[in-house]
Amino acid sequence: QAVVTQEPSLTVSPGGTVTLTCDSSTGPVTSASGHFPYWFQQKPGQAPRTLIYDTKNRHSWTPARFSGSLLGGKAALTLSGAQPDDEAEYYCSLYYSGAWVFGGGTQLTVL
Amino acid sequence: EVQLVESGGGLVQPGGSLRLSCAASGFTFSDYYMDWVRQAPGKGLEWVARIRNRAKSYTTDYAASVKGRFTVSRDDSDNSLYLQMSSLKTEDTAVYYCARLFAGGYWGQGTLVTVSS
Repeated sequence: QAVVTQEPSLTVSPGGTVTLTCDSSTGPVTSASGHFPYWFQQKPGQAPRTLIYDTKNRHSWTPARFSGSLLGGKAALTLSGAQPDDEAEYYCSLYYSGAWVFGGGTQLTVL
Repeated sequence: EVQLVESGGGLVQPGGSLRLSCAASGFTFSDYYMDWVRQAPGKGLEWVARIRNRAKSYTTDYAASVKGRFTVSRDDSDNSLYLQMSSLKTEDTAVYYCARLFAGGYWGQGTLVTVSS
């Protein structure tokens, strides 16, 4: 069973930039690895909301300050110009031949 | 607009059974793979099961933690997804989300299942 690892917590200043990463135990996440990285935002008491799909694609509701990429063999979510409303739990997921595996989540504090 | 609405959650005793439903709208349901994802209280997300579409013979996959106890099914004529859960354990207590994870990642609001005596 693959394990997906995220930073447990990060803090960013309002207006600042922060990068969250998503690491696979089975090897590097690349454009050819078939992992289809997704990024989800979840606030307390709410369902998850997809911010980024297939590495870098935004939804219509995804603020432009969020971007997805591959960075050093990991999937990455970069927030540029953090807002207080961005304080939330962020999860990534990677696909492994029939199963999605979620990371443990990153609690992002905007302070 | 894609909408996924779960129902069927509730309180069930250990060893019992429960069937969750998900009503889909706003997209051609029959074209897509569908998933169930759960979240135990205060914990992270856990993928539970997937059912593929007719083109892929409605094949299914399950997380190891539920394999042999849970069964995912669908009714394309009714745009509905189901999760039949049996031999429930206290550790199955969670909010269960219906989701279309491939092709954009869409989520329902979830339904709470509590397994307790």
